[in-house]
Amino acid sequence: DSGVTQTPKHLITATGQRVTLRCSPRSGDLSVYWYQQSLDQGLQFLIQYYNGEERAKGNILERFSAQQFPDLHSELNLSSLELGDSALYFCASSVGREGGTGELFFGEGSRLTVL
Amino acid sequence: QQQVKQSPQSLIVQKGGISIINCAYENTAFDYFPWYQQFPGKGPALLIAIRPDVSEKKEGRFTISFNKSAKQFSLHIMDSQPGDSATYFCAASGDSGYALNFGKGTSLLVTP
Repeated sequence: DSGVTQTPKHLITATGQRVTLRCSPRSGDLSVYWYQQSLDQGLQFLIQYYNGEERAKGNILERFSAQQFPDLHSELNLSSLELGDSALYFCASSVGREGGTGELFFGEGSRLTVL
Repeated sequence: QQQVKQSPQSLIVQKGGISIINCAYENTAFDYFPWYQQFPGKGPALLIAIRPDVSEKKEGRFTISFNKSAKQFSLHIMDSQPGDSATYFCAASGDSGYALNFGKGTSLLVTP
C-alpha cells in the first residue's frame, strides 16, 4: 500500500460528459502528480501541484484541469470527454517539489471508460 | 514526443534467466534515472534508481547499467523469478521543473 488513495477506481461515462477524479496523497507529501496511462502511450505526465500551487505542466489537454486543495488532496477534472480519453489515470505524491529527482508514490489508479 | 525510448515492448524469460530491458534518452539535462515496477491492478512502484555519476548500481538481483556517452541505461534482472512478472518502466528527469518522463514500458513474463 503506497498510502496514496484514488477514487473512484472505475468510471464509465459517455462522450461529452465531465468527470472528476480525486486523489489523497500520502501523509506529509506536499506534491501531487497526475499521469495518464494508455496502452499505446505509456505513462504520460499531465500536471504537478506543490502545496496548492501548480508546479509543472505536461501534456495536459485544455479540456482537463486540476487543483490541489488546502488539505493537499487533488482533483483532476476531465470535460467534454472523447473516446480517446479512455485510460487509466494515476495520481502520485512525493515529499518535495522537485518531483523529477525523488521517489514518487503512485495510487492504484482510476480507470475511465468513455462510451 | 517520447523523451525516453524503451525496448523491448515485451519479454519472455525462463526462470533463472537474465532479463534485460533497455532505455535511451536524448535530453542531456536528465540526471536521474529510475526504474518502476508495476503489477496488474496496481500503480507503479520505485524499484531502483541511478544518477550519472556512477555507471552501475546493484540492489539484490536488480542492476542498472548506465552509459552516459551513449545516453543509454538498462535494467538487468538476474535469476529471474515468476514473481518478477510485471511491467517495467524506465524514466528520466532533470533540473527543477522536470517531471519524470517515462518510457512506454516492458511487459516481462518469467515462465516456470
